[in-house]
Amino acid sequence: AQRVTQPEKLLSVFKGAPVELKCNYSYSGSPELFWYVQYSRQRLQLLLRHISRESIKGFTADLNKGETSFHLKKPFAQEEDSAMYYCALSGSGGSYIPTFGRGTSLIVHP
Amino acid sequence: DAGVTQSPTHLIKTRGQQVTLRCSPKSGHDTVSWYQQALGQGPQFIFQYYEEEERQRGNFPDRFSGHQFPNYSSELNVNALLLGDSALYLCASSFTGGSSPLHFGNGTRLTVT
Repeated sequence: AQRVTQPEKLLSVFKGAPVELKCNYSYSGSPELFWYVQYSRQRLQLLLRHISRESIKGFTADLNKGETSFHLKKPFAQEEDSAMYYCALSGSGGSYIPTFGRGTSLIVHP
Repeated sequence: DAGVTQSPTHLIKTRGQQVTLRCSPKSGHDTVSWYQQALGQGPQFIFQYYEEEERQRGNFPDRFSGHQFPNYSSELNVNALLLGDSALYLCASSFTGGSSPLHFGNGTRLTVT
């Protein structure tokens, strides 16, 4: 079974501070990890995926298979980063149904 | 491109009733997945449709059923509604073939009284 854990329900930081949203997963095969984001009054949308190895809106995430983690990081938070962030896991071998974590609400104060 | 569209946006039903939710996928997408999102929780997978057939199903009872039409649009049906079915129902479309990212609709807010 695949499982995603986001231990923080809420993360509150000040503008310019570093941000790290934690995501741990459980999966026996080779996973594919995603971060989805939902800004206020907008739909859930893909932020980044680990196979792309790219930075989106200043966010990066590295898959650490040893620690089974896929933490989302940004060195300097901006107010517009305030949103709900969901980590998601897809299994390999034909099972491409993403399993979502419960989400972390990021609030960036001015 | 309007993206994924869902209807209705809000719905209020009584316990025991039946409900049908609708979804039109993003242009070019052939796979539709349905998720249930309770307050304060992440989306929970209900089922996925591809080529008009249910391809995978999550841990939901048979009261939850679906359909996909030849134009790739989809319906989610819930029978014998319970109070616990109150949630946001999200439709997501994708392109089959590998782990294509999901594109979500705005959801249908279902309230069961």
